[in-house]
Amino acid sequence: KAGVTQTPRYLIKTRGQQVTLSCSPISGHRSVSWYQQTPGQGLQFLFEYFSETQRNKGNFPGRFSGRQFSNSRSEMNVSTLELGDSALYLCASSLGLAGGHVGGELFFGEGSRLTVL
Amino acid sequence: TQLLEQSPQFLSIQEGENLTVYCNSSSVFSSLQWYRQEPGEGPVLLVTVVTGGEVKKLKRLTFQFGDARKDSSLHITAAQPGDTGLYLCHNDMRFGAGTRLTVKP
Repeated sequence: KAGVTQTPRYLIKTRGQQVTLSCSPISGHRSVSWYQQTPGQGLQFLFEYFSETQRNKGNFPGRFSGRQFSNSRSEMNVSTLELGDSALYLCASSLGLAGGHVGGELFFGEGSRLTVL
Repeated sequence: TQLLEQSPQFLSIQEGENLTVYCNSSSVFSSLQWYRQEPGEGPVLLVTVVTGGEVKKLKRLTFQFGDARKDSSLHITAAQPGDTGLYLCHNDMRFGAGTRLTVKP
């Protein structure tokens, strides 16, 4: 069974630009959640999508958005990039709702490392 | 807001030593997951604990869930360099800050 695939793996942007990251979940998984990981803040939850609906959202500004398609693939977008957005963005898929008792185990991709100059 | 506090933040030990890392919260966990993350990779699930007082073993790793379901611990026996990584606890879409373990040969 193929794992979670994230693209691109690395990218460099400048302040003010926008970026779109893609995540293909494990086949059959309906939940995709996104996390930002930085040395200072650790792993922080961005949002979760389940069956094309945003189910939960973390405490991030509106510049961070996402969506999920009917095939469960997900994208996240960050607009008007700031230097502080430099981070590893991790996507995780799960069979059921993320963290739930049943099917809530998260399977992570290798991440997209974003550098904002 | 339930915060997950992990301790210690950093741990550096010699191969063959034992260690314990902790995950605590002021609120009751519905369930708790432990993950390990190696450099350049995403976290990988080690175990899910659900029942208060539960103990689960995974080879040299022993996971305990507190009776009150507010704390959990991970004990590694005879640590090996391959155990090096960032150990994270997770509940309800929140991760602890992690314990960064280095096992020296």
